[in-house]
Amino acid sequence: AQTVTQSQPEMSVQEAETVTLSCTYDTSESDYYLFWYKQPPSRQMILVIRQEAYKQQNATENRFSVNFQKAAKSFSLKISDSQLGDAAMYFCAYSKRGNQFYFGTGTSLTVIP
Amino acid sequence: DVKVTQSSRYLVKRTGEKVFLECVQDMDHENMFWYRQDPGLGLRLIYFSYDVKMKEKGDIPEGYSVSREKKERFSLILESASTNQTSMYLCASSEGQGANQPQHFGDGTRLSIL
Repeated sequence: AQTVTQSQPEMSVQEAETVTLSCTYDTSESDYYLFWYKQPPSRQMILVIRQEAYKQQNATENRFSVNFQKAAKSFSLKISDSQLGDAAMYFCAYSKRGNQFYFGTGTSLTVIP
Repeated sequence: DVKVTQSSRYLVKRTGEKVFLECVQDMDHENMFWYRQDPGLGLRLIYFSYDVKMKEKGDIPEGYSVSREKKERFSLILESASTNQTSMYLCASSEGQGANQPQHFGDGTRLSIL
C-alpha cells in the first residue's frame, strides 16, 4: 500500500528566510509522480510543484524547489525568500498510473513578519 | 483555467437526513474524485469516477454513495447523515489516466451534521 508521511504538523519561518518541509513515501512502484499542494486558509488547494520519479533532476518553480531522493523515498519542499502569502497548509501527494492520489497529513506553515 | 465548482461552501444538516454535495467541472475531465479532509488525517479518498456512470470505492466509502450521470457533474450522497460525517469535503478533477496529471480542486464544502 502507498503511504505518504509528513512528520512536521507545524512549521514557522521568518519572512525572507528559507524553510524546508519534509515528506517521505512508501511504494513498490517504479513509475509514479510526486506533488506538493498548497491550501491557504479558507481557500482552494492549488498545485505548487511536481516531480517525475524517473527524473533525477529536482523540479523548480520560482522560489519553490524540491529535494527528491528516490532511494530514500524522500521528497522535501524548499521555499526560498518566504513571503507572507506562503502561509498555508502544505500537502505532499503521491500519484501512480490510474491517477489515484495519496496525500500526507499536511504541514501548517506560518510566516512571521 | 480549470474550474471546479462545489455547490455550497457551508452546509448544516441534521442526523438522519439525506445529504447531497454537488461538484461540477468545466474542463471536460474524465476523472472526478471526492475526498474528506480532517485535521491530522489529511485528505482521504471516498469515491472516484473515471467516466460517466462509472464509480470506484476509495479508502473510506462507508456511509457514502456517488452519482455521475453527466461527465461534468459528480455528486456525493450521504444516505443517512451521522455526526461523524462532519468534515470538509473536497471535490477534484483530472484529465486522463497518467500519474503525471495534477488534480484540480474545488473550494470545498464544510459540512456540519447536528
